[in-house]
Order: sequence, then structure tokens, then C-alpha cells
Amino acid sequence: GAVVSQHPSRVICKSGTSVKIECRSLDFQATTMFWYRQFPKQSLMLMATSNEGSKATYEQGVEKDKFLINHASLTLSTLTVTSAHPEDSSFYICSARETPTYYGYTFGSGTRLTVV
Amino acid sequence: GDSVTQMEGPVTLSEEAFLTINCTYTATGYPSLFWYVQYPGEGLQLLLKATKADDKGSNKGFEATYRKETTSFHLEKGSVQVSDSAVYFCALSWVNQGGKLIFGQGTELSVKP
Repeated sequence: GAVVSQHPSRVICKSGTSVKIECRSLDFQATTMFWYRQFPKQSLMLMATSNEGSKATYEQGVEKDKFLINHASLTLSTLTVTSAHPEDSSFYICSARETPTYYGYTFGSGTRLTVV
Repeated sequence: GDSVTQMEGPVTLSEEAFLTINCTYTATGYPSLFWYVQYPGEGLQLLLKATKADDKGSNKGFEATYRKETTSFHLEKGSVQVSDSAVYFCALSWVNQGGKLIFGQGTELSVKP
């Protein structure tokens, strides 16, 4: 079946530094990828939708300059948390939609970001 | 706007007990409905889905029926196992909104031997 690889699975960084998270679709092409943020014991909140070759669409309240999303190819999307602060600590999950299957969402295993 | 509401957890059951996790949605029209499962420290896996009213999704002994009259998509399993312990998310999606998923708050299930 479809597999989405997300790296790193865990990262600890110092406040003020930037962190890049990668999301790769391994055996399918994903024209659309989604980035979610999940706080402990809470639901997933959609941060942005990225389409290959175009700018990401951010949800209301998400700072686009802080959470940079790049979807340069049909198999790779990246989320960069710039100038990270402790409040950015969270679990970030990507999801890729198979093409052309509309209902084929496949999720990555998530990245636990801790900013110290 | 569209939203999904799930019963609050945690839900604690003994092995082989019957499971129901309630899910209701608010939306104009008939979105597609999903149940996802998240095991500790992992991403989400699709458990089952239903794309139109009266459809029944099923997988691994879990079932859910799309009820438009009650705007519900309750998850059921006749006999749970310890390995079913996880967080379960109900979600909806629209084709014409780019396919993004709107999740409920999640329900934690703990099954004891």
C-alpha cells in the first residue's frame, strides 16, 4: 500500500533556531500534501495545504512566515519551523493524497518537536 | 462551519466487550466520513470510510454506518482486543474544498486484559 515517510521522528532544538521536517510519498505521486499539528491529547489541526509547484494555502491563524512549506516535487514536501520557540513544541503530522484517488489519504508517522 | 463531535474519552473496556464510539457531524449536505486510528507515537491510519448516506464502512471487525437522518457515524466493534487500544478520530471531508479533513477531538480507547 501507499507509504508516507516523515523525518525526523523526533527533534530537539534550541529556541531561535530553525527546524526542517520532510514528508515523502514513497510509492505514489502526491499532488497535494497536508500539514497538521497535534497538541497532547487533542485533535489534529490543519495548518496548511500544499500543492506541488505552487504556494501553500495556510489556514486562518497560522503564520506563513513562521511555518514555511515547500512542495517542490510530486513526492516531497517540507515544513520548516523558523525561529522556533517553546510554544512551537508539538507533534507535526503530514498527509499525502494519492493521485488520482480522492479518498487515498496516507499519513506520515509524525514528528515530535521539542524546543528548549 | 463544518465540525465533528466525538464522545469524550478515555473509554476503558475489558477484552471482548462491545465498543461504541459516538460521532456526529455538522455540515451542509453530505460529506464523506472517515474513522482514523492513531497508535501511541504514530501517525494516523485509515480505519474505514463511507462516502454517501446509508453506506456502511467496515474493517478489522469495526463498523460504522453513515446516517444522514441523525448526522452520525458511530464506530462499533463487537469484541475488542487489547491491541485495539489507541485513539480514534472521526473526520469528514469535501471534494470541493480540496479534500482537507476536519477531525473530531479524538477518543482514547483503553482495553484491559
